[in-house]
Parts: sequence; structure tokens; C-alpha cells
Amino acid sequence: AQSVTQPDIHITVSEGASLELRCNYSYGATPYLFWYVQSPGQGLQLLLKYFSGDTLVQGIKGFEAEFKRSQSSFNLRKPSVHWSDAAEYFCAVGVSSNTGKLIFGQGTTLQVKP
Amino acid sequence: DTAVSQTPKYLVTQMGNDKSIKCEQNLGHDTMYWYKQDSKKFLKIMFSYNNKELIINETVPNRFSPKSPDKAHLNLHINSLELGDSAVYFCASSQTEGGNTIYFGEGSWLTVV
Repeated sequence: AQSVTQPDIHITVSEGASLELRCNYSYGATPYLFWYVQSPGQGLQLLLKYFSGDTLVQGIKGFEAEFKRSQSSFNLRKPSVHWSDAAEYFCAVGVSSNTGKLIFGQGTTLQVKP
Repeated sequence: DTAVSQTPKYLVTQMGNDKSIKCEQNLGHDTMYWYKQDSKKFLKIMFSYNNKELIINETVPNRFSPKSPDKAHLNLHINSLELGDSAVYFCASSQTEGGNTIYFGEGSWLTVV
């Protein structure tokens, strides 16, 4: 069965430090991969996506993610975190290009220290 | 302009009541969804409609009934609300061609007391 695991439930980083959020997926075919961010009391905003091609994808707000098929991973990175990046981050895999159904990970809460 | 808009944003109601959440998208997408986020922030798909036709129904209780009057609208009606229905309900939309990137609304916070 398809699944997404975000091993880190909660991460705290200092402002200006680099960030990496981990995501591992289980899916038999070529996955469609997404990262969404949810600020407190807000909806889900798409940060970036991977469908095919270049395995390093750039997103909004200075985020990037790298697809590694051999490791079944799609980790999210940012070189320098800003206080406004504090939020909940969700990794998701699209299990069908036709239905658009997403399987989400359990989310990682990012706290940013001043 | 909000791409996917849903109303109401907050809803507090008593057990046993019937309530509806409305959703509209102005992106011209052909597919709309309802996702549920529980108290542990876990997100799961409930329904998906493509051009007003139901294509995904993820073993949701019959008390939940989606209705799509046209492809720009997908409403969610919930009968006989239970405490366990308290959650955040997200409407979303996508276009089938081009990979189906899903865009979410801002959520409707439902509290059943």
C-alpha cells in the first residue's frame, strides 16, 4: 500500500540556520511528490512538486527538494530559515495522475528560534 | 482573488444537527475534492469529483454527502453530526491534465459540541 513517512514530528532550528525535512514514500510506480506548508490557522499552500525530469526541484519561499529514487525519499531543504517559516510541513505522494488522490505524511512541525 | 474558497471558515454546532460547507473554485479545474484533517493534523481524502461525477469515495459514513452542482462547486453536507466529526475540512481542486497539482482552500474548522 502507498504510504508517506515523515520521521521528524517536530524540529526546532535557529533563524538563519539551514533546514532539512525528511520524507520517505512507499509507492510501486513513479511517484508524483509534493510538499505543502500549513501556517497556524491557515490552509495548505503548495511549496513545490516533482513529476519527472530534474530530480532537484525549486519551489517558492526559497525551498527546494531532491527526489532520490534509490532511497525513496523527497527531502525538503532551505539554506537559511526565516522566523516566518515556522509552520507545519506536509509531504504527499500522488497515487494516480488521473484521480489526483494524495497520500499525506503525518507532518513535521517547524519551530524557529530567534 | 481566492482560487479555492470555502464557507464557513468556522462552525460550532451541536451533536445531531445537520450542516453544510460550501466550496467554489475559480481556477477552471475539472476536479474537486474534500479532505479531512483530524485533531492530530492527519490529512485524508474523503471525496473526489471530476466534471460533477463522483470518482473517489473513501469509505466515508453515509452521513456525509457531497454535491457538485457544476464543476466549479463542491458542497459537503453532513447529517446527524457526531463529536468525532470535529475536524478541519479542506476543499481542493485540480486539473486532470498536467499532473493534477492540487490546490487547497483555507479550510473549514468544524467543532461539534
